Amino acid sequence: EVQLVESGGGLVKPGGSLRLSCAASGFTFSKYSMNWVRQAPGKGLEWVSSITTGGTLIYYADSLKGRFTISRDNAKNSLHLQMNSLRAEDTAIYYCAGGAVAGPFDYWGQGTLVTVSS
Amino acid sequence: SYVLTQPPSVSVAPGQTARITCGGNNIGSKSVHWYQQKPGQAPVLVVYDDSDRPSGIPERFSGSDSGNTATLTISSVEAGDEADYYCQVWDSSSDHMVFGGGTKLTVL
Repeated sequence: EVQLVESGGGLVKPGGSLRLSCAASGFTFSKYSMNWVRQAPGKGLEWVSSITTGGTLIYYADSLKGRFTISRDNAKNSLHLQMNSLRAEDTAIYYCAGGAVAGPFDYWGQGTLVTVSS
Repeated sequence: SYVLTQPPSVSVAPGQTARITCGGNNIGSKSVHWYQQKPGQAPVLVVYDDSDRPSGIPERFSGSDSGNTATLTISSVEAGDEADYYCQVWDSSSDHMVFGGGTKLTVL
C-alpha cells in the first residue's frame, strides 16, 4: 500500500522557520519525482515546489521568493521542505505528492498543517 | 503566468450529467489532469492526460480537452461525487505547475 506521511507542521511566529518531512513507503520512491502542494484554509490547491528523481531539477512557485528549499533523500525514502522567513500567508495544509513534475500527481499524503501567527 | 479558470460551483441532480470546465489559453495543447477533493481529505486523481482514468476510478468520470477548454464529465452523478474538483497543467514556458481555482460540485 502506498503511503506518504507528512510531519513537521505546527505553529510558528512570523519570520520563523519550519522543516517539513514526508516519509514514503509502498512504492519505489527513487523512481518518482516528488512535489509539495499547499492549501490555505478554505482556499484552493497551490503548487509549491517539485524535485525530480535524482534531485537534479528543482522548481519553485514564484510566490515563495527563495524562502523555501525542497530536498530529498532517496536512501531514506524521504522528502523535505525547509521553510524560512515564514509569513501569515504561508498558513496552509502542506501536502506531499508523488508523480511526474509535469503531473499527474498519483499519490498524496494527508497533509500537515502549518500556522504562522504571533 | 498561465491561468486556469474554473466555475466556482456546479449543481446537478442525482443521475444527471455534470460538466466541469477548465479554461486556459490553448489548453488543448497541454495535458490536463483532474483531482477530486472531499472535505477534510487529500486530493485524489480522477482523470489524467486529458482523458485517461487511474485504476479504481469509475468509468462515469471522463475528460476532454480542445481549444481553450478542458472538461471533466461525470455521468450518472451520485451523492458521493459531491466534492471540489481541480484541473491541473504544467506550463512549460515558465516551468511551473498550475492548478485551477476549483469547482464545488453540489448534488441536489
